[in-house]
Amino acid sequence: EIVMTQSPATLSVSPGERATLSCRASQSVSANLAWYQQKPGQAPRLLIYGASTRATGIPARFSGSGSGTEFTLTISSLQSEDFAVYYCQQYNNWPPITFGQGTLLEIK
Amino acid sequence: QVQLQESGPGLVKPSETLSLTCTVSGGSISNNYWSWIRQPPGKGLEWIGYISNSGSTNNNPSLRSRVTMSVDTSKNQFSLKLNSVTAADTAVYYCARWGIAGRPGWFDPWGQGTLVTVSS
Repeated sequence: EIVMTQSPATLSVSPGERATLSCRASQSVSANLAWYQQKPGQAPRLLIYGASTRATGIPARFSGSGSGTEFTLTISSLQSEDFAVYYCQQYNNWPPITFGQGTLLEIK
Repeated sequence: QVQLQESGPGLVKPSETLSLTCTVSGGSISNNYWSWIRQPPGKGLEWIGYISNSGSTNNNPSLRSRVTMSVDTSKNQFSLKLNSVTAADTAVYYCARWGIAGRPGWFDPWGQGTLVTVSS
């Protein structure tokens, strides 16, 4: 099973600033990685797939990068609606499909 | 635009079977893979398994012996059964489309989720 590790667990950033979230895989997942945003009481929302392709309707301030075992989600200028929990997910080696434990992005 | 909606009992007794259905609207269940994912209160996401429109399945090894999934293409629905439940199975259960055009990958879209509590 591929273990996905996200860091930090909690990230405190001010609105308008840049946020950088990390995801590490226990072995290479190539570029088969997705990012999701989840707000309280809501289902996760797909942001990025293929490590760097934005999903339909996702603002350009969200960008993904990386391949192999190291991945980054960057939010270039935080808006109030961006404060949420973010998860990474690998789909290279399965079963099982695995998720990271999540990063809480909170307002500083 | 494809939308998904979970339905089923919100309370299940320990040792009994949890049964949920996901109804797909706005598109066909054919030529896609469909998954179940769960999230215990305050915790992260766990993939349960997938089913294709043809009925082929694969599950998380941690749950494999307790999980059964089925598909009803005539109703555009797929279903999950999890037997011998315990309090550890209490979670919000989501259904989602897995990948695109029959190729496994990411989950999109998701249903709104349904909370299932295991308690006597």
